[in-house]
Amino acid sequence: DVKVTQSSRYLVKRTGEKVFLECVQDMDHENMFWYRQDPGLGLRLIYFSYDVKMKEKGDIPEGYSVSREKKERFSLILESASTNQTSMYLCASSLPRGGHGYTFGSGTRLTVV
Amino acid sequence: AQRVTQPEKLLSVFKGAPVELKCNYSYSGSPELFWYVQYSRQRLQLLLRHISRESIKGFTADLNKGETSFHLKKPFAQEEDSAMYYCALQDDEKLTFGTGTRLTIIP
Repeated sequence: DVKVTQSSRYLVKRTGEKVFLECVQDMDHENMFWYRQDPGLGLRLIYFSYDVKMKEKGDIPEGYSVSREKKERFSLILESASTNQTSMYLCASSLPRGGHGYTFGSGTRLTVV
Repeated sequence: AQRVTQPEKLLSVFKGAPVELKCNYSYSGSPELFWYVQYSRQRLQLLLRHISRESIKGFTADLNKGETSFHLKKPFAQEEDSAMYYCALQDDEKLTFGTGTRLTIIP
């Protein structure tokens, strides 16, 4: 009963490539989020969206953009991948104001070489 | 700005001993706080919310507004409690997470 699906578990990309990370949820949640998870730094919010075509910058949006054309899908885009973007990327969704908490995807481990 | 602090990166506890994972926060409004857990090779999942005042897997957490803390406690640790634990603060539509504590239960 997977509810938040991230399209890739592992990705290896070259510096300068444009990278797309996809996330789909089937719970009809309004809110969707992208975090990156790094050892010792915890989870840091990159971007979030509270409605279709709406987006808000999080704490570390530099070098990233997002797209939400449909309610169930939230894409994270690395315009020109760099080695410091090597990380675990987590997608999450929730009802408004967190509702009953976030539901997370299993994560995409991105390595930029 | 809101902030969540988990002072311990690593915590090792013997099986059967009490566990306390510390969480302190700074927030100007009325806080809504959560604990999330990530077991090995599993996705991050909600453990408990302060507003529900429930006990999940034997864990409890009490919000102390005077000390701005939301420590996670369990009276008797079990081996299956070994995991990464994150404290999180709800701010409008988004969660701010602490840096996490890796809990290891020693058999």
